[in-house]
Formats: sequence, C-alpha cells, structure tokens
Amino acid sequence: DIQMTQSPSSLSASVGDRVTITCRASQTISSYLNWYQQRPGEAPRVLIYGATNLQNGVPSRFSGSGSGTDFTLTISSLQPEDFAAYFCQQSFTAPYTFGQGTKLDIK
Amino acid sequence: QVQLVQSGAEVKKPGSSVKVSCKSSGDIFRSYAISWVRQAPGQGLEWMGRIIPILGTASYAQNLQGRVTMTADKSTSTAYMELRSLRSEDTAVYYCASESGIVAAASFYYYMDVWGKGTTVIVSS
Repeated sequence: DIQMTQSPSSLSASVGDRVTITCRASQTISSYLNWYQQRPGEAPRVLIYGATNLQNGVPSRFSGSGSGTDFTLTISSLQPEDFAAYFCQQSFTAPYTFGQGTKLDIK
Repeated sequence: QVQLVQSGAEVKKPGSSVKVSCKSSGDIFRSYAISWVRQAPGQGLEWMGRIIPILGTASYAQNLQGRVTMTADKSTSTAYMELRSLRSEDTAVYYCASESGIVAAASFYYYMDVWGKGTTVIVSS
C-alpha cells in the first residue's frame, strides 16, 4: 500500500496568515493527489484534485502544487472558516489511502 | 447536484453485521464510483473500498477483505455497504461518497466530490 504522510499534524495560525501543509507519498503517484477539508461535525469536502486543480466553488486562496512524491496545500490568507482538518489522498492505485490529517486551529 | 442520503445510526453487538445504505437523489449509475470511507472517533479518514455501479465491480481495502461487501441497486439508486463480524474497533462514522472523474492535462483524475452526512455505527456489548 502507498503510505501518505502529512506534516505538520497540527498547526496554529491567525486570520490572514499564509499556511502550507505538506504531503509525501511513499512512492511516486504522479499528480494523483487530492486534498480535502473537514470541519468539525461535517463530512469532508474536496478542495483540490489532480494535485493542482481547484474544485468548483472553492475559494482561490486555496492552491495545490507538487507531483511525484511531494505535494503542498497552501492557503494564502486564512479566513475564520478555514480552521478545520485537512487530508491528502492518493488516487493513483487502490487502496486509495489518506494522510493522517492536519488540524489547523486558531492561534 | 446529486445528494447522498445515508441511513440512520446503528448500535450493534460484537460479532454481528451492519448494512448502511446511501441513496442518491440522481441516477447513481452516472457516478464514476461510490466510495466508502470511515472515521473512528477522533481519528483520520480510512478508505474502505469502492464500487463502480455501472460495472458492478468492487474493490476493498485489504484489512477489510472478507468482512465487507459493497453493492449498488440501480432500481432505487442506492448503494450499500455491509460489514460483518463487527468488532469494537469498527466503531466509527461511515461515509459514502460519489466519485467524479475529469480529464486534465491528458490524465484522468477522480475524486470524491459529493459526500453523505455519515452514519454512526457503535459496536458495543
């Protein structure tokens, strides 16, 4: 199975900050990498697919980059509604494993 | 947009089975696939498997092989996930999610773009 490792596991930041979350795959996955946001008590929602493609309706402050084994999710200017958990997921080959998550909370 | 409505919470005894349903407001067979993801209390997301409704083929996570079955019923646009021989470690919120596929930069990408609200399954004696 492909292992997905996110860092950091948790992060404290302030409204307006720029934050970056990284995700590393245990083997190359090309650009088959998705990012999800999960607010407390809610189902996840997709932010980025194919490593760099912004899902319809997602604010442009979210962006994704990377290919191969190393990927990043960047939020350019944090808004109050962005404090949530973030998960990467590889869609290269089954099982379509998730990273362990990054919890982003208010400093 | 398609919505997915999941069945209600369940409390089960160890060793029993649970069957969770996921009804689509649209034609479920228009989805590329229906995936099932679970989340134990305070933990991350675990991919359990997926079914491609139009083919009726399913693939499962290795650690659940032999205990899980995923099916789809075209007549009712409903997907099902049955988990057998339940253990306390199966206590979790179970989500179904519809996958979309899209071509970008000459590659085909798929991702879970519509999610159900989740079904809580508690396994306790």
